[in-house]
Amino acid sequence: RKEVEQDPGPFNVPEGATVAFNCTYSNSASQSFFWYRQDCRKEPKLLMSVYSSGNEDGRFTAQLNRASQYISLLIRDSKLSDSATYLCVVNILTGGGNKLTFGTGTQLKVEL
Amino acid sequence: DAGVIQSPRHEVTEMGQEVTLRCKPISGHDYLFWYRQTMMRGLELLIYFNNNVPIDDSGMPEDRFSAKMPNASFSTLKIQPSEPRDSAVYFCASNLRGLAGGVDEQFFGPGTRLTVL
Repeated sequence: RKEVEQDPGPFNVPEGATVAFNCTYSNSASQSFFWYRQDCRKEPKLLMSVYSSGNEDGRFTAQLNRASQYISLLIRDSKLSDSATYLCVVNILTGGGNKLTFGTGTQLKVEL
Repeated sequence: DAGVIQSPRHEVTEMGQEVTLRCKPISGHDYLFWYRQTMMRGLELLIYFNNNVPIDDSGMPEDRFSAKMPNASFSTLKIQPSEPRDSAVYFCASNLRGLAGGVDEQFFGPGTRLTVL
C-alpha cells in the first residue's frame, strides 16, 4: 500500500464549480500535512498547510481527519487558472528529520 | 532571491554515460533534498542533507546514484552509468527548519529533465 494515496483524476469541471479532492495516508505517526500545486512541466509549490482544526485560504479549504487518516481539499468557484495537479503531502518527523512523502497527485482541469 | 537553481534544465544522454545534475539551494537554507518524478511513481525522495551532511539516502535507487554537498551552496547528484529507466525529472528543493522545529515549506527548483537513450 502506498504511504499517500490520491485519485489521479482527471477531474474535469466547469468554471465556477466546487470540487473536492481526498487523500489517505497510511502512517498514523504522520505529523504535518500539506497540499502542493504543480502546473504542467513546472515544479511543485506549496498551496497550503492542513491543520487539525481545518483551515481556509480564500476559495480553498483544507481539512484533516486523523482518526480516518484522510485529508481533503475543497476548491470553490473554480477558475481556469486552478487547472493543475494537486499533490497531497505528509510529513513524519523522525530523529529531527524533515522528510515529506508526496502522493502521485490529482489532476484538475477547469473548463469554460 | 533567485530561488533554487538547477542545471542543466534538460539533459539527453546515451545509456552508460555519466550524468551530473547540479543544485544551488536558497541562501541560508539548511536542508537540501533531491527528488525524482515519473508518471508511474510520482515524486520520490532520493536523499536529503542537513547542514551539508546526508541524513537519509534510503531513497537512492542503487549504487549507480550518488549525491554530494561539498558546501552550503552547492550539491550534485550523479548517475554512473546511466540507464533508460533513469529517465525522469529530477528536482532539488531546500528549506529552513523553523525555530519551533516544525516542518516548513520546501522550495523546489525548476527541475532537470533527463532522458537516457
